[in-house]
Amino acid sequence: AQSVTQPDIHITVSEGASLELRCNYSYGATPYLFWYVQSPGQGLQLLLKYFSGDTLVQGIKGFEAEFKRSQSSFNLRKPSVHWSDAAEYFCVVGGYNNNDMRFGAGTRLTVKP
Amino acid sequence: NAGVTQTPKFQVLKTGQSMTLQCAQDMNHEYMSWYRQDPGMGLRLIHYSVGAGITDQGEVPNGYNVSRSTTEDFPLRLLSAAPSQTSVYFCASSLQLTVRTGELFFGEGSRLTVL
Repeated sequence: AQSVTQPDIHITVSEGASLELRCNYSYGATPYLFWYVQSPGQGLQLLLKYFSGDTLVQGIKGFEAEFKRSQSSFNLRKPSVHWSDAAEYFCVVGGYNNNDMRFGAGTRLTVKP
Repeated sequence: NAGVTQTPKFQVLKTGQSMTLQCAQDMNHEYMSWYRQDPGMGLRLIHYSVGAGITDQGEVPNGYNVSRSTTEDFPLRLLSAAPSQTSVYFCASSLQLTVRTGELFFGEGSRLTVL
């Protein structure tokens, strides 16, 4: 069965520091992978996605993620965090269809001034 | 740019009451879905639809009904609310069922409390 694990429930970083959010998945085939962000009181917004090809994926707001098949991971990174990045981040694994998507439990990011 | 609109944003119910969460999208999307978000569990799929007149169950469908009479609207009904249905509900839509045709767009959520 497919599943996705986000090991860190809550992370605090200083503004300007680098960020890495971890995501590990279990899936029977090559998965489709996504990162979504949920700002306070808002719906979820797609940051980036991986279907195939180049394993380093660029997204919006300066985020990137790297697919590592050998480690079953899809970690999200940003070189310099801004206060507006404070939000909850969800890693999502799925197959061909939208109804196959499985969401991780989320990592809440706090940004210190 | 309305996108996906959910109403109401907040609702408090008593056990056994019924209610409908409304969802409307103005992007002519075929695929629509409902999720619930609970602490520490991420989002779980309740029901989904691939077009008017077509609905199917997701991961956690018990206690919920849906219908899709138009492309734009996809209401979620709770016939007899239970405290276990206290959650934040999200409606999402996409151009089609297949992920490669476009991303999922989410509404802002509806927070439901059942006493």
